[in-house]
Amino acid sequence: GQNIDQPTEMTATEGAIVQINCTYQTSGFNGLFWYQQHAGEAPTFLSYNVLDGLEEKGRFSSFLSRSKGYSYLLLKELQMKDSASYLCAVNTNAGKSTFGDGTTLTVKP
Amino acid sequence: DGGITQSPKYLFRKEGQNVTLSCEQNLNHDAMYWYRQDPGQGLRLIYYSQIVNDFQKGDIAEGYSVSREKKESFPLTVTSAQKNPTAFYLCASSTRDGVNYGYTFGSGTRLTVV
Repeated sequence: GQNIDQPTEMTATEGAIVQINCTYQTSGFNGLFWYQQHAGEAPTFLSYNVLDGLEEKGRFSSFLSRSKGYSYLLLKELQMKDSASYLCAVNTNAGKSTFGDGTTLTVKP
Repeated sequence: DGGITQSPKYLFRKEGQNVTLSCEQNLNHDAMYWYRQDPGQGLRLIYYSQIVNDFQKGDIAEGYSVSREKKESFPLTVTSAQKNPTAFYLCASSTRDGVNYGYTFGSGTRLTVV
C-alpha cells in the first residue's frame, strides 16, 4: 500500500523560516512533488525532486532522501500569503501521484 | 492561454441522481486525472487516463464513471451508487509520465447532496 505522512498543522512567524517534513512508503517511486493549496482553491505546483539532494527555487527549497523515504519543504522569509496547505505527493509508476493529507501552515504577524 | 477548465464551480445533487462534472484541457497533455478532496484531507484518486479511449480505476472508483473519447476532455459522472458524494472534485492533467512539472489542476467543482 501507499503511506505518506505529514504534520497536520504548523504555525510560524512572518519573516521566519519553516520546514515541513514528509515521510513516505510507496510501491514504486518516480519522484516527489510539493504543491501549495490556498483554502477553497486548486493546488499549484511548487517543486519536484527525483534525485537525492536539495532543489532551490527562490524562497522555497525542497530536499529528498530516497533511502530514508523522506523529504522536506523549506520556506524562507515567510510572508502572510504563504498561509496555505502544503501537499506532499509521490509519483508512482505510470505517472500516478499519491498525496499526503497536507500540512496547514499559518503565518502570524 | 493554455489551461484546464472545470465546470460547474458549484453543483447540487438530489439523492438518487447522477451528475456529470466537466473537465477540458488545451495543454495537449496525454494524461488526465480525477481526485476527490474531503475537508482537512488530501487528494484521493478516483480515475485516471494515460491516453485516449483508455482509463484506469484509482483508489476510490466505486460509484463513479468516466470516459475519454477526446484528448481534451475527461468528464466524471457521479452515480447514485456513490453514497457520500459531497466533496471538492479536482481534475488534473500532465504529460504522460507526470514528472518534472507535476500536475496542472482545474479550479475544482464543489458538489453537495441536498
